[in-house]
Amino acid sequence: QLVLTQSPSASASLGASVKLTCTLSSGHSTYAIAWHQQQPDKGPRFLMKVNSDGSHSKGDGIPDRLSGSSSGAERYLTISSLQSEDEADYYCQTWGTGTVVFGGGTKLTVL
Amino acid sequence: EVQLLESGGGLVQPGGSLRLSCAASGFTYSSYAMSWVRQAPGKGLEWVSVFSGSGSSTYYADSVKGRFTISRDNSKNTLYLQMNSLRVEDTAVYYCAKGGVRGVIITPFDYWGQGTLVTVSS
Repeated sequence: QLVLTQSPSASASLGASVKLTCTLSSGHSTYAIAWHQQQPDKGPRFLMKVNSDGSHSKGDGIPDRLSGSSSGAERYLTISSLQSEDEADYYCQTWGTGTVVFGGGTKLTVL
Repeated sequence: EVQLLESGGGLVQPGGSLRLSCAASGFTYSSYAMSWVRQAPGKGLEWVSVFSGSGSSTYYADSVKGRFTISRDNSKNTLYLQMNSLRVEDTAVYYCAKGGVRGVIITPFDYWGQGTLVTVSS
């Protein structure tokens, strides 16, 4: 079964960096994922697609301080130079035949 | 500029029906699959259904199969979700989302709407 696992919460200080993790279920380690950001009371926003080889392609207007990477079944979103507006929920998404799956989301707090 | 604008949400009793719409602009609508995704209050995102860009391929989440019907009118650049036999657990904000790859039905989403709230309650 295709499942994505995310830690429920993360925190980091203003100006620091944070790395969020999304883990693919067993047997699905070659799948690509997408990262989406949801700020409070807003619709989600596509950030980037991350492939199994670590390459990534960003959405329109996504700054360079956001990057993606991969290791095995894990896909990462790294945010550098944290700003207050980065405080949001972050969801990973993957897809298979006839289905789309989201992780449970990580709530990022900027201290 | 890509824009997705949902409408049609509201309060409905259990067992009732509702039809959501999503008006799209800023891209070649017929070339891209479109999906509905929902978010229950305080919860995460749940994919609901997808309709291919051209042709008529559709997929549904098990939680809505047989109760919800997705459709689209490419002449009006509009996506629909007909929701029947609504349950309390269908209460959520419903978002439409654009597929990110031309001609492919299941892809990452690259644009989202702002959502419309559906409340199922007696």
